Amino acid sequence: NAGVMQNPRHLVRRRGQEARLRCSPVKGHSHVYWYRQLPEEGLKFMVYLQKENIIDESGMPKERFSAEFPKEGPSILRIQQVVRGDSAAYFCASSRAGMDSPLHFGNGTRLTVT
Amino acid sequence: DQQVKQNSPSLSVQEGRISILNCDYTNSMFDYFLWYKKYPAEGPTFLISISSIKDKNEDGRFTVFLNKSAKHLSLHIVPSQPGDSAVYFCAASAINTGTASKLTFGTGTRLQVTL
Repeated sequence: NAGVMQNPRHLVRRRGQEARLRCSPVKGHSHVYWYRQLPEEGLKFMVYLQKENIIDESGMPKERFSAEFPKEGPSILRIQQVVRGDSAAYFCASSRAGMDSPLHFGNGTRLTVT
Repeated sequence: DQQVKQNSPSLSVQEGRISILNCDYTNSMFDYFLWYKKYPAEGPTFLISISSIKDKNEDGRFTVFLNKSAKHLSLHIVPSQPGDSAVYFCAASAINTGTASKLTFGTGTRLQVTL
């Protein structure tokens, strides 16, 4: 029963380095979403992708952050030149097509910037 | 601007009793509401949802009630079990504006079910 798979589970980066977070959606799901959770807060929407397309990136910072969901392979959330404020849990979710399909979340990647 | 609010950060309930978790929202465009449960070091797990055309949805021990005029929803768990101890997130989206993918989450309520 392969749910949403995220790796790595934990990632430590020094300030200025790049962080790459990977997400493989549930088999058969064509929609991928990235959310970020800061300590003591709820999850905040970042970006919504379908295969090879960014549908909505309104929640993603304009600089240093990018996301992709290629035709083959996992979705990647990339953070360039990380800063301490990027430390958070990053959750990927996937769903089938359809407006009311619930999101299925992965276990997240906890990014720590030192 | 917190559009989805869970004003109780924590709740403690005895095993077998009813747990009631509350959620308020401010955005009148929201028309689809969900509850997620989250254990430490895991991702949120979908529990139950409700569309704004309904005022109640039930699934086993879990029932969600929606009061649109008050912009309020609640999750009832009965009977509560120790395994229900987790953080519960309320989330909302606006299907009719085509933004169903963009869930807005509350800050969560930590439920502890005691023996």
